[in-house]
Amino acid sequence: GESVGLHLPTLSVQEGDNSIINCAYSNSASDYFIWYKQESGKGPQFIIDIRSNMDKRQGQRVTVLLNKTVKHLSLQIAATQPGDSAVYFCAENIEDSSYKLIFGSGTRLLVRP
Amino acid sequence: GAGVSQSPSNKVTEKGKDVELRCDPISGHTALYWYRQSLGQGLEFLIYFQGNSAPDKSGLPSDRFSAERTGGSVSTLTIQRTQQEDSAVYLCASSLWAGRNNEQYFGPGTRLTVT
Repeated sequence: GESVGLHLPTLSVQEGDNSIINCAYSNSASDYFIWYKQESGKGPQFIIDIRSNMDKRQGQRVTVLLNKTVKHLSLQIAATQPGDSAVYFCAENIEDSSYKLIFGSGTRLLVRP
Repeated sequence: GAGVSQSPSNKVTEKGKDVELRCDPISGHTALYWYRQSLGQGLEFLIYFQGNSAPDKSGLPSDRFSAERTGGSVSTLTIQRTQQEDSAVYLCASSLWAGRNNEQYFGPGTRLTVT
């Protein structure tokens, strides 16, 4: 399944540099957020999540920052590698519909060798 | 172990025809989700199942769309009288249970093209 579109925002970074992908969410009631990575021809893959009682969460080479005041989420990827090239989506979840994820439109990350 | 599988991977159909899309979730996963992804867009939630029950069908775009799940495993998404705006990638995901503490694992999707 092809996921990338012609008009996705694109971030181009040099291999080895850090990447920052941003996401604005819409619902102030959302209290759980997930970042997904989608490679061409594949379904989305979970990267990292964060709850609204946290401002920051770190994983392996990735950090998610949450600013509830301005309803902004970011994904930082350290030492970006060619294998990080993909489309990245943020998804939000509202507590009273805990099964349902609302996805953003995505950002394409291109890593230059 | 095997992940979520979907079939067919690609489907081209003529406007007005019915199509069935199939999803095989990860064994043991009780929750199953259907999403639609249009070109250049994020995923749009359609419906989810907990077991064989679909508590929320509100994401289905019209009454031409329906889904069922039998035996707590395989699910089919049926689109009747397809329209060109139905063209999209249809993604299925499964998780151990429905709910936020249960990671959703996605299949590769079915690309539907309505001509």
